[in-house]
Amino acid sequence: NAGVTQTPKFQVLKTGQSMTLQCAQDMNHNSMYWYRQDPGMGLRLIYYSASEGTTDKGEVPNGYNVSRLNKREFSLRLESAAPSQTSVYFCASSFFTGELFFGEGSRLTVL
Amino acid sequence: GEDVEQSLFLSVREGDSSVINCTYTDSSSTYLYWYKQEPGAGLQLLTYIFSNMDMKQDQRLTVLLNKKDKHLSLRIADTQTGDSAIYFCAESNPDTGRRALTFGSGTRLQVQP
Repeated sequence: NAGVTQTPKFQVLKTGQSMTLQCAQDMNHNSMYWYRQDPGMGLRLIYYSASEGTTDKGEVPNGYNVSRLNKREFSLRLESAAPSQTSVYFCASSFFTGELFFGEGSRLTVL
Repeated sequence: GEDVEQSLFLSVREGDSSVINCTYTDSSSTYLYWYKQEPGAGLQLLTYIFSNMDMKQDQRLTVLLNKKDKHLSLRIADTQTGDSAIYFCAESNPDTGRRALTFGSGTRLQVQP
């Protein structure tokens, strides 16, 4: 059972570079989420998609864009990476509510 | 907006009980959760409680909810070294369309042999 798969697991970028974090789930979940995790700050919601075709901003959306490509896939794009975006990024999905299933995380370093 | 607060660190001895506390600000929260994160991994749901309950027990885990004080706690009985992890409290209110969870900062539980 794959669950939620994120790629890449690790990435190092230079300031100003762009990249896309990919996320796919095979549980037929309606909702998908992108969070970032920083030390002492817990998880903060960047964007979420309640259903295919919809996306909404979370707590910290600046500097990011998302695409809900289809029901399975939800990507997060950094158009011009900044050192403040150094973090661990988690994708999650849920069918109804509450029980979010998380990927293993993508560790991003921006130099 | 919604806010969830937790202490950052707790250390206990193996076999003791652990109690991890959480406070939240949104009185309309309808679901409250505890997630566990092991090193290098994503979060996994441990247990949850509806806001109309005040206690839920699941094997070694006991969740207590004081809705008046907006206080949630997780008690782990007979704590084992395998319980060492970061524990996150979270809340949501899907009745208002707010399905995404708001997480606390996490409590790192260290279990000493």
